[in-house]
Amino acid sequence: AQTVTQSQPEMSVQEAETVTLSCTYDTSESDYYLFWYKQPPSRQMILVIRQEAYKQQNATENRFSVNFQKAAKSFSLKISDSQLGDAAMYFCAYSVDSSYKLIFGSGTRLLVRP
Amino acid sequence: NAGVMQNPRHLVRRRGQEARLRCSPMKGHSHVYWYRQLPEEGLKFMVYLQKENIIDESGMPKERFSAEFPKEGPSILRIQQVVRGDSAAYFCASSPRPLAGGQETQYFGPGTRLLVL
Repeated sequence: AQTVTQSQPEMSVQEAETVTLSCTYDTSESDYYLFWYKQPPSRQMILVIRQEAYKQQNATENRFSVNFQKAAKSFSLKISDSQLGDAAMYFCAYSVDSSYKLIFGSGTRLLVRP
Repeated sequence: NAGVMQNPRHLVRRRGQEARLRCSPMKGHSHVYWYRQLPEEGLKFMVYLQKENIIDESGMPKERFSAEFPKEGPSILRIQQVVRGDSAAYFCASSPRPLAGGQETQYFGPGTRLLVL
């Protein structure tokens, strides 16, 4: 069974600094997609970044980038120049190519200190 | 282009009542997914629907829960005879095509917070 694990229930970062959120997953599939979603206090789910497993290049979206290590089944999110608005729950998610369900981790709460 | 819309945003029911949650996908999206988020947990897949068809309901509880996505109108998630354990946030997501095999992404609505007293 596919699982997604986020081992950091909570992380804290100083404003303008960099923070990395960890995510590991378990799968026997070769084709799949990985996502990071942000859930602010409004609880709206916002897509931050996505990565196709067949792509070796790490995805980047402005201040957000991932470190995708396929062999290690690791998919960490790096947030550079952290801003107060980045404070939220962050969920890592996985979807296998032959399916459509998103499988979510338990989330990491990010606190940003001014 | 309006995003995924869900209503109501908040719903309070007493035990034994029925809850009906509505989801209008983004314009041009014909695939709808429902997820449930219990307090302090991640989202869990419930059901995947296309217009007039249930494709996968493997995440739905076997009793009291049902979903539909009619040809016209929003998708409906119905919970009959609600119990306190049904209290959760219910999220709907939509995509223009199935997530698999393409470049699609699921776009989420703001969720409906169901509280069962």
